[in-house]
Amino acid sequence: DAGVIQSPRHEVTEMGQEVTLRCKPISGHNSLFWYRQTMMRGLELLIYFNNNVPIDDSGMPEDRFSAKMPNASFSTLKIQPSEPRDSAVYFCASSFSRDRGRNQPQHFGDGTRLSIL
Amino acid sequence: AQTVTQSQPEMSVQEAETVTLSCTYDTSESDYYLFWYKQPPSRQMILVIRQEAYKQQNATENRFSVNFQKAAKSFSLKISDSQLGDAAMYFCAYRSYNQGGKLIFGQGTELSVKP
Repeated sequence: DAGVIQSPRHEVTEMGQEVTLRCKPISGHNSLFWYRQTMMRGLELLIYFNNNVPIDDSGMPEDRFSAKMPNASFSTLKIQPSEPRDSAVYFCASSFSRDRGRNQPQHFGDGTRLSIL
Repeated sequence: AQTVTQSQPEMSVQEAETVTLSCTYDTSESDYYLFWYKQPPSRQMILVIRQEAYKQQNATENRFSVNFQKAAKSFSLKISDSQLGDAAMYFCAYRSYNQGGKLIFGQGTELSVKP
């Protein structure tokens, strides 16, 4: 079975440019999570969706960041305009949630390494 | 708010020996999940083992086992018969039973395995 698929694997761009990260969750999973990993802050949740609806976006650092999930098989994380401090590895993860508390473990994609020059 | 602390930034073990990685957490909840994830240099996040807080029995997965002490809020990972492929960053993570599944991670422990 295909796992969580993220693209691109690496992205290098100049500050001020728009960056779009993409994620395809595992088929059948109804929860999707975006995490960011940096040396200073470690792994932190940015936003998560349940049944395509954003549930908690309290980790989104500022208005330059936005995330969408137009359908069950696709999500994007967009940064506009990008800044050097956005450089990090961005992970997408998905899981199946049946009801309160009965969540399956999250499966992670391989991450996107983003470098903003 | 829940927090997860890994007090060992780096650990080292001889091949075939046993090593224990420490993790403590803080929560006021009684129901939750705990996880250990492994991140090799390839940067994949791989689930190693999980524990449900309501279960008293410690989880085991082949060479990996945990020592879950709920009262002490401690969740250590024991790796037996260490192999070179075990070298990686290991993250302890907490997930609330009720808050939709988001993971709260510790800062990680980098494990090196000496041949």
